Amino acid sequence: NAGVTQTPKFRILKIGQSMTLQCAQDMNHNYMYWYRQDPGMGLKLIYYSVGAGITDKGEVPNGYNVSRSTTEDFPLRLELAAPSQTSVYFCASSYTGTDQPQHFGDGTRLSIL
Amino acid sequence: AQSVTQLGSHVSVSEGALVLLRCNYSSSVPPYLFWYVQYPNQGLQLLLKYTSAATLVKGINGFEAEFKKSETSFHLTKPSAHMSDAAEYFCAVSLYSGAGSYQLTFGKGTKLSVIP
Repeated sequence: NAGVTQTPKFRILKIGQSMTLQCAQDMNHNYMYWYRQDPGMGLKLIYYSVGAGITDKGEVPNGYNVSRSTTEDFPLRLELAAPSQTSVYFCASSYTGTDQPQHFGDGTRLSIL
Repeated sequence: AQSVTQLGSHVSVSEGALVLLRCNYSSSVPPYLFWYVQYPNQGLQLLLKYTSAATLVKGINGFEAEFKKSETSFHLTKPSAHMSDAAEYFCAVSLYSGAGSYQLTFGKGTKLSVIP
């Protein structure tokens, strides 16, 4: 049982480049989330989805886009990379959004130079 | 607005000593509360959760937390620290955010060091 799988694990981008962070889960969870983690700041919600075809903004959505065409996949797109987007990105999923815990991937460490 | 405050960004304890990590939340309604642990270069793992069934919640690895409504607290404890407990711990609160969805708000985390 793979759980939540994120690719790539590490990436270095130049300013202005674009990339997609991939996230897949095999638990048939309805809810999926993208967070960024910066040192000493906890996790901030970027975007979330409550099911295929439905996405919504979180606390820090600027500079990112998402799509949810299937239950399993929830990619995060950076269109014009900026140094402020250097961070560790975590994808998570849960069966519902209430009292069910979120299951996290191992993260993507992204540096923008 | 909901918020989560973790007191102390770094906590050091001796091996075998009591672990106490503090978490306070602000909410006008009873929330769902979680503690997660993060080991270096890994994602977050659930330690335990409070969902109103019992105020004292037992989790994995000998951790437990007590929900105190009057103090709006959900502190995490372990009677005897082990070297393997060294990690970062996050408190989180889940509240209804409208349109049928809930959002999880995390505290800033507490790094636990265990001294041999």
